[in-house]
Parts: sequence; structure tokens; C-alpha cells
Amino acid sequence: AQSVAQPEDQVNVAEGNPLTVKCTYSVSGNPYLFWYVQYPNRGLQFLLKYITGDNLVKGSYGFEAEFNKSQTSFHLKKPSALVSDSALYFCAVRDIDDYKLSFGAGTTVTVRA
Amino acid sequence: EAGVAQSPRYKIIEKRQSVAFWCNPISGHATLYWYQQILGQGPKLLIQFQNNGVVDDSQLPKDRFSAERLKGVDSTLKIQPAKLEDSAVYLCASSFQTGPTYEQYFGPGTRLTVT
Repeated sequence: AQSVAQPEDQVNVAEGNPLTVKCTYSVSGNPYLFWYVQYPNRGLQFLLKYITGDNLVKGSYGFEAEFNKSQTSFHLKKPSALVSDSALYFCAVRDIDDYKLSFGAGTTVTVRA
Repeated sequence: EAGVAQSPRYKIIEKRQSVAFWCNPISGHATLYWYQQILGQGPKLLIQFQNNGVVDDSQLPKDRFSAERLKGVDSTLKIQPAKLEDSAVYLCASSFQTGPTYEQYFGPGTRLTVT
């Protein structure tokens, strides 16, 4: 069975500072990894995905994520956070042999001005 | 390109009543998903359709939940009778195909409150 852990319920950073949202995963085979963001009263929006290839994946709104197979991690990063990045972030994983997309519990990011 | 549409956006019902949610996926997307998102948790897959066939409904409480996608486009999720623990946001998503590399696009969700 596949699973995702987001060890931090909340992340608080000042605008302009680097932002990191942590994610670790567990799958039986090769993982397909995704990050989504959810703004209040809106559905999830796709940010980026790792399928294969370069371990550093670039996505929407200046976000990037680094796949680390030895640490089974897929942390989301942004070099300089904006107040508008304040939202709920979800990491998700799919096993190559499983159709299901398993989500973590989410991390609330607050960027203060 | 229009996104995934869902209605209603909000619904309040009493326990033991029935409720239905509607979803219209992105045009051309063969795969449709229904998720349940309880407050403070990540979305949990309830059912997945490929065209009008069910791919996975292993986590759908079939004694009270049902879903259909008769013409392979729109879908309806029904709860009958509702319980208090069904209070959640119900998200519909679609993807071009079922393969694990395809990202899913989500609708705004329907927030259900059961009193």
C-alpha cells in the first residue's frame, strides 16, 4: 500500500524568505509524485509532478520540488515566498501499479508580510 | 479551456435525508474521480470512472453511496441516507486518461453539512 506523510501541519515564513514544505512517501514500486495547492473555498490546483528523469522538478508559480529516492522524500520549495502563497498544500503519490492517488494530510502555509 | 464544474457548491441536509452532487469534467477527459475531503484531512478517493465504466470503487460505502456516469461525460454522486459523518467536501476531478502520469484537475467541490 502507498502512503504519504507531511510531517508539518503548519509552516510560517516571512515574505521574501525561502519556503519549504516537507513530504515523505512509501510505495512498493516506482513512485509518481505530485504537489497540489488548495486556496480557501476552491478545489485543488496542480503545481508539479515527478515521473522520471531529473530529480529537480519545476512547476507553477515559481515552485519546485526535489525528488530524493534514498530518503523517500519530495519536498516542495520556493526561493522567495509571497503573501499570496498562503494556502493549504498537499503532497500525493501514485504507485506505478495502482490507479489511486494517495494524499497527505496537508500543510498550511502562512506567509506574513 | 473550461475547468471541472460541480454543483451545488453548498448543501445542508438533515441526517437520513438524501442528497445528490453533479460533476461535469473537462471536455475530452476520459477519467473521472470522486473524492471525499473531511476537514483537516487530505482527499480520499471514493470512486474512479474510465469513460462510463467503474475502475475502482473499493472505498465507496456502497450501502449508502452510489455514483454513475451513464454517457461517459457528466457524473452524479448520491448519498442515501446521509449520516453525520458524511459532512465533508466532495471533490470531483478529471484526467485525460487513467495512467499514473496524468495529473488530475479538480473542481471547486461541494461542501456538505449533515445536521
